[in-house]
Amino acid sequence: GDSVTQMEGPVTLSEEAFLTINCTYTATGYPSLFWYVQYPGEGLQLLLKATKADDKGSNKGFEATYRKETTSFHLEKGSVQVSDSAVYFCALSDRGSWGKFQFGAGTQVVVTP
Amino acid sequence: ETGVTQSPTHLIKTRGQQVTLRCSSQSGHNTVSWYQQALGQGPQFIFQYYREEENGRGNFPPRFSGLQFPNYSSELNVNALELDDSALYLCASSGTGYSPTEAFFGQGTRLTVV
Repeated sequence: GDSVTQMEGPVTLSEEAFLTINCTYTATGYPSLFWYVQYPGEGLQLLLKATKADDKGSNKGFEATYRKETTSFHLEKGSVQVSDSAVYFCALSDRGSWGKFQFGAGTQVVVTP
Repeated sequence: ETGVTQSPTHLIKTRGQQVTLRCSSQSGHNTVSWYQQALGQGPQFIFQYYREEENGRGNFPPRFSGLQFPNYSSELNVNALELDDSALYLCASSGTGYSPTEAFFGQGTRLTVV
């Protein structure tokens, strides 16, 4: 079945550092890929998405590119802020499967001043 | 603010009891999906309701059941609660006419089974 693997946390960074969170997936078809963010005590918020190979999703300074050849969707941000401290989830959804996601285990990011 | 609301936000139940969690979907959305998120883990798909019918189920036992109402709000029912059912339960709404791959999540219900 489909699966998502992302790097374990916590990832601890200083403010203005570069952030990368690795995510790889296994899927039989051509899924859409997502990054969701979860702040303490809250639900999930969509951060960005990509629906086909070579698409780049971007939002709030975060970027991720759908790499079919390496089955990856790594999240990057050039300069993190303390407010970026959260748990980040990589997820996939098969075509036509609205709302059905396979999530990774999540990566906690801690940004210190 | 996603427009998806869940109630209650927290509750504590005793092992063996039954619980009902509620979700109001975003206006115009006809699909609700439920997820279980254990502490420190990613959300796991429980099931989905589309136009009041179950439309897919994850690897959860039958004591997890649900309903969707004509206004597309939804309930998750769990019978014979076990300690391992302690988790954050999330609902997500999505629907035709919008980005078909996108879903909006509520803030979750934190269930503690003692």
